[in-house]
Amino acid sequence: AQSVTQLGSHVSVSEGALVLLRCNYSSSVPPYLFWYVQYPNQGLQLLLKYTTGATLVKGINGFEAEFKKSETSFHLTKPSAHMSDAAEYFCAVSDGGGNKLTFGTGTQLKVEL
Amino acid sequence: GAVVSQHPSRVICKSGTSVKIECRSLDFQATTMFWYRQFPKQSLMLMATSNEGSKATYEQGVEKDKFLINHASLTLSTLTVTSAHPEDSSFYICSARPAGGGKNIQYFGAGTRLSVL
Repeated sequence: AQSVTQLGSHVSVSEGALVLLRCNYSSSVPPYLFWYVQYPNQGLQLLLKYTTGATLVKGINGFEAEFKKSETSFHLTKPSAHMSDAAEYFCAVSDGGGNKLTFGTGTQLKVEL
Repeated sequence: GAVVSQHPSRVICKSGTSVKIECRSLDFQATTMFWYRQFPKQSLMLMATSNEGSKATYEQGVEKDKFLINHASLTLSTLTVTSAHPEDSSFYICSARPAGGGKNIQYFGAGTRLSVL
């Protein structure tokens, strides 16, 4: 069984500040981990994913995430927030078999001037 | 590229009626499509996996006679909510996995918000 916990349903940062969105997972097998972003009235867009290899993963729009097995975490970061980053972010885990994604409850990111 | 179109984006219906939601991959062929349901402030929950030309595989607890899934072509899957009731009101999202693409690639539609009166 797999599960994902996203701490903080709402996160607010100032433009230019560090973005940190937290994700912890539970998996009985080596996990594949994903971050998706959803803008209003749009589908989920893949930001980045970890499958195997390098634990620091870089994605689109300046985001990156680090897989930490010892902490069962896959937190998403961006050094400097832009107004355009305001959206809902979902962390997800898969067993690698490719069929089932288990999602967290999402974190709404607000970027303030 | 890799656009998934979902239609309608919003539907309001009376209790007891059936509603069909379409999920189309516009610029790629999708051998596998997935249907998710999202309740307010909750996770996306996988309802079923549909493979082109075969019966859908439903997750535990999902009524297959209630949520009919058809995947008749490589670019179209439909979800029909039969005899809808207010408790079926939710946000339904589809995704599609490209034929020949990696197992962990899914492209998502924008979702359909169903409100049953």
